[in-house]
Amino acid sequence: GQQVMQIPQYQHVQEGEDFTTYCNSSTTLSNIQWYKQRPGGHPVFLIQLVKSGEVKKQKRLTFQFGEAKKNSSLHITATQTTDVGTYFCAGMNTGFQKLVFGTGTRLLVSP
Amino acid sequence: ETGVTQTPRHLVMGMTNKKSLKCEQHLGHNAMYWYKQSAKKPLELMFVYSLEERVENNSVPSRFSPECPNSSHLFLHLHTLQPEDSALYLCASSQGREGDGYTFGSGTRLTVV
Repeated sequence: GQQVMQIPQYQHVQEGEDFTTYCNSSTTLSNIQWYKQRPGGHPVFLIQLVKSGEVKKQKRLTFQFGEAKKNSSLHITATQTTDVGTYFCAGMNTGFQKLVFGTGTRLLVSP
Repeated sequence: ETGVTQTPRHLVMGMTNKKSLKCEQHLGHNAMYWYKQSAKKPLELMFVYSLEERVENNSVPSRFSPECPNSSHLFLHLHTLQPEDSALYLCASSQGREGDGYTFGSGTRLTVV
């Protein structure tokens, strides 16, 4: 079945440093979504990418969808302690409501 | 509040008990989902309901039984669970269109003893 892997599993940065997580799918995706889960919380939808090569920005967060629509990345510029949490990518195949979540990257930011 | 409400927030049950998890969404969405989140494992899709019809049963053991009486409510009936079923069970809803973001509830933390 479809698998979505993320690297790294865990990253600890100092506040102000940049952070990137990478997402790779075993199959071509129709779209990819990103979610953030704070410690003790539930996943919260951040953004969706649909087009090949698409880049979207939300303040300090930059999301990119690969040309082949099999990979994606999330880059955070100048991390803050409020960025702490686990970031999940989630891919959907064409024509079916089945969102498959990646393994997640846990981010810890020290002040 | 996310618009998706799950109860109870915490549940401890014995292996011979029968219990139910409840999910209610107030967003007018027409698709609802059950996910299981265990430590060190990705979110696992369990069931998908679209317009109250089950469209996905992701090889889930029969000791988990979903019910969707209407587009706003989703239940997960539990019986004779195993300790390895202990996890966070998350309900989500969406408009059901391809690419719609999911709105998750706060989850039920289940412990099977």
